[in-house]
Amino acid sequence: AQKVTQAQTEISVVEKEDVTLDCVYETRDTTYYLFWYKQPPSGELVFLIRRNSFDEQNEISGRYSWNFQKSTSSFNFTITASQVVDSAVYFCALKGTTDSWGKLQFGAGTQVVVTP
Amino acid sequence: NAGVTQTPKFRVLKTGQSMTLLCAQDMNHEYMYWYRQDPGMGLRLIHYSVGEGTTAKGEVPDGYNVSRLKKQNFLLGLESAAPSQTSVYFCASSADRERDNEQFFGPGTRLTVL
Repeated sequence: AQKVTQAQTEISVVEKEDVTLDCVYETRDTTYYLFWYKQPPSGELVFLIRRNSFDEQNEISGRYSWNFQKSTSSFNFTITASQVVDSAVYFCALKGTTDSWGKLQFGAGTQVVVTP
Repeated sequence: NAGVTQTPKFRVLKTGQSMTLLCAQDMNHEYMYWYRQDPGMGLRLIHYSVGEGTTAKGEVPDGYNVSRLKKQNFLLGLESAAPSQTSVYFCASSADRERDNEQFFGPGTRLTVL
C-alpha cells in the first residue's frame, strides 16, 4: 500500500523567513513519482513539481526548492524568503506504477501561514 | 483554453436528494478523476476513468456513481445524498498513460448536505 505522511499540520512564519515542509512516503514500487501541489485560499490546486524515483537531483525554482532523499523516503519542500502570497495548503502526492493507471495518493496537507 | 471546469461551484442539498456534478476538460485528456477533500485528510479518490466509456472505483466510491459518455466530460452522481457527503469535490484530468503526467484540477465544488 502507498502512503504519504505530512506530519506538520500548520506552520506559521513571518514574511522573509524560510519554511520547510516535510513529506515522507511509503511504497513498494521501485519506480514511482512524487508531486507537490499548492492550494491557495481561493481553493484551486496548482501543480508545483514532479520528481521521478530515479532522479535524486535537488531542484530549485525561484524561491522554491525540493530535496528528494530516497534513502529516507522523503521529498521535502522549502520556500525561501517567504511572502504573504505563499500562504496556502501544500500537498505532497505519490504515484506508483504497480497499477495500470497509477493512483495519486495525497498527504493530508500542510497549512502555511505567512504574516507580514 | 479553459482547462478543467466544474459545475456547479456550490450546492446545498437535503438528505436524500440527488444531484449530478459535471466536470469538463478541453485538453483532450484520456484520464479523468473525481476526488473529495475533507479537513485533515487530503484528497481521496472517489472514481476515475481511463477513457471514454470506462469508469472504475477509487478509494471511497460508496454512495457515488459516475459516467464518461464523452471523452471531455466526467459526471459524478449522488443518488441519495447523506450528511457524510458534505465535502469539496475536485475533478482532475491527465494526458495519457505516462506515469509522470501531472493531474490538472478543476476549481472545486463545495457541497453541503443538510
